Amino acid sequence: NAGVTQTPKFQVLKTGQSMTLQCAQDMNHNSMYWYRQDPGMGLRLIYYSASEGTTDKGEVPNGYNVSRLNKREFSLRLESAAPSQTSVYFCASAGSVNTGELFFGEGSRLTVL
Amino acid sequence: DQQVKQNSPSLSVQEGRISILNCDYTNSMFDYFLWYKKYPAEGPTFLISISSIKDKNEDGRFTVFLNKSAKHLSLHIVPSQPGDSAVYFCAASLTGGADGLTFGKGTHLIIQP
Repeated sequence: NAGVTQTPKFQVLKTGQSMTLQCAQDMNHNSMYWYRQDPGMGLRLIYYSASEGTTDKGEVPNGYNVSRLNKREFSLRLESAAPSQTSVYFCASAGSVNTGELFFGEGSRLTVL
Repeated sequence: DQQVKQNSPSLSVQEGRISILNCDYTNSMFDYFLWYKKYPAEGPTFLISISSIKDKNEDGRFTVFLNKSAKHLSLHIVPSQPGDSAVYFCAASLTGGADGLTFGKGTHLIIQP
């Protein structure tokens, strides 16, 4: 059982380049999330999708766009990467919104030069 | 404005002793609290949770205590083992809310042999 799968695991970009982080879950969860983790900052929510067809901004959405392609897949796009977006990105899904328990992917480490 | 605070960036404990990790929150609307454990180069994994209607929840070596009047929760690990060395994140949610979790900045627990 794969759980939550993120690709790529590592990426180096130049300032201004674009890229998409892919996320897929096989647990039939309705809710999916993108977080970023920076040193000393914990995990901060970028965007979330409560169900297929809906997306909402989290705490730090600027510079990002998302697409909930179907129930399984939730992608995060950087249209014009900036050095401030250097971070580790985690995708997560939730089966029950009543508890908020999340299942995380292994993370994608992005460096913007 | 940080709603979930972990004021100790790191904690060192001798193997076999008790580890106590602390967390404070400011939003009185939070009604579900979780602890996540994170190893390097991996995604966070759920450890233990507690509903606001309880003041204690125990799972093996792990116990979470909640003091609602003080808006404080703590995680006790007894006895501490080398495999417990990790970063521990405290998180809070609103029951029924699909907008994910609010995380603290994490505490790096180091178990000394």
